[in-house]
Amino acid sequence: NAGVMQNPRHLVRRRGQEARLRCSPMKGHSHVYWYRQLPEEGLKFMVYLQKENIIDESGMPKERFSAEFPKEGPSILRIQQVVRGDSAAYFCASSLGRVENSPLHFGNGTRLTVT
Amino acid sequence: DQQVKQNSPSLSVQEGRISILNCDYTNSMFDYFLWYKKYPAEGPTFLISISSIKDKNEDGRFTVFLNKSAKHLSLHIVPSQPGDSAVYFCAASGNGNDMRFGAGTRLTVKP
Repeated sequence: NAGVMQNPRHLVRRRGQEARLRCSPMKGHSHVYWYRQLPEEGLKFMVYLQKENIIDESGMPKERFSAEFPKEGPSILRIQQVVRGDSAAYFCASSLGRVENSPLHFGNGTRLTVT
Repeated sequence: DQQVKQNSPSLSVQEGRISILNCDYTNSMFDYFLWYKKYPAEGPTFLISISSIKDKNEDGRFTVFLNKSAKHLSLHIVPSQPGDSAVYFCAASGNGNDMRFGAGTRLTVKP
């Protein structure tokens, strides 16, 4: 019973490159969430997606960041033209539906380092 | 706009004693609250939750208390064990579909 799978675990990018972070939700889960954790800080909500739809992207920077959750395949968080301030741990979570019926299950995160 | 606040970044308690972690929220639309536990290099794991229609929920050594009028909740761990040492995040949901997290409290339980 695989949990939420994120890859890669570690990603190093030079300034200006693109970063692609992948998240495969738990089997049967159609709700995906992305959170960012900066060093010494808590989890900051970025975006909430259901299959093929972005439900809430209020936490995602307007520029350079995008997310998708296609009908087939993993959810992708894409960061274009990365800067040093993007260095953080990015966590993906999934759920069956409403939070009170299905608490979020988290992956182990992708640690992005921008050099 | 931090809607969920954990004002204590760290807490240290002796093994066997009670650990009390606190959380405050500002959004009156929140109606479901959760606590997550996180070890280094791992994702958060769900610990315990409470609906706004209740004021207490208990699961083994873990009890969550909710004071809606004060917009405050707390997590009690008793007795505390060294394996409980981790970062604890408080989270809240207002529409059943997404969650906002606090900054976390690092609990250290000393043997």
